[in-house]
Amino acid sequence: DSGVTQTPKHLITATGQRVTLRCSPRSGDLSVYWYQQSLDQGLQFLIQYYNGEERAKGNILERFSAQQFPDLHSELNLSSLELGDSALYFCASSVETGYEQYFGPGTRLTVT
Amino acid sequence: GENVEQHPSTLSVQEGDSAVIKCTYSDSASNYFPWYKQELGKRPQLIIDIRSNVGEKKDQRIAVTLNKTAKHFSLHITETQPEDSAVYFCAASGYGNKLVFGAGTILRVKS
Repeated sequence: DSGVTQTPKHLITATGQRVTLRCSPRSGDLSVYWYQQSLDQGLQFLIQYYNGEERAKGNILERFSAQQFPDLHSELNLSSLELGDSALYFCASSVETGYEQYFGPGTRLTVT
Repeated sequence: GENVEQHPSTLSVQEGDSAVIKCTYSDSASNYFPWYKQELGKRPQLIIDIRSNVGEKKDQRIAVTLNKTAKHFSLHITETQPEDSAVYFCAASGYGNKLVFGAGTILRVKS
């Protein structure tokens, strides 16, 4: 157990819908990262937040957005969902930028 | 941006043999190189990492080596066991701590 929690574990929804994935970092970690893992794309970095502010952006679609709240938990919002958005979404946390990242158990999103 | 290539894509070894996975990176500014192990349906788990000021690091049966000049780093697993079977990912990170992952290596340890 890495100490990073994610909810829900599984999510099944229809195309065009909107979902919210939630992540709580390890105690003491200020930085949260979101990754997408699909079979043909591997692990792709989406976005990073540090202490409530966006720190770095990867290949995140405009339909996706995220935020980190004052209690340091983070949410990833996915809207206008398409079949290709089906994937495992991982959250990771670290104490500071440049330090070890620890992954949560992931949310498996299935878009039908 | 950074690009990480990982080889081989699959690796089968006999229990007790050694396994070596290699990665190359493109950005000479990258300074942090972690390795993750991922079992089917589970989270990537950090198993070892190395920073650019170190050439080698060991942790029991696992070691990582880094060649900054050639921009490649390798994972070495000795005395492999069936529980080592998993997908292994290398990654590289530079300024901004964006971790760029390799495509992964499926390691199968045959008993």
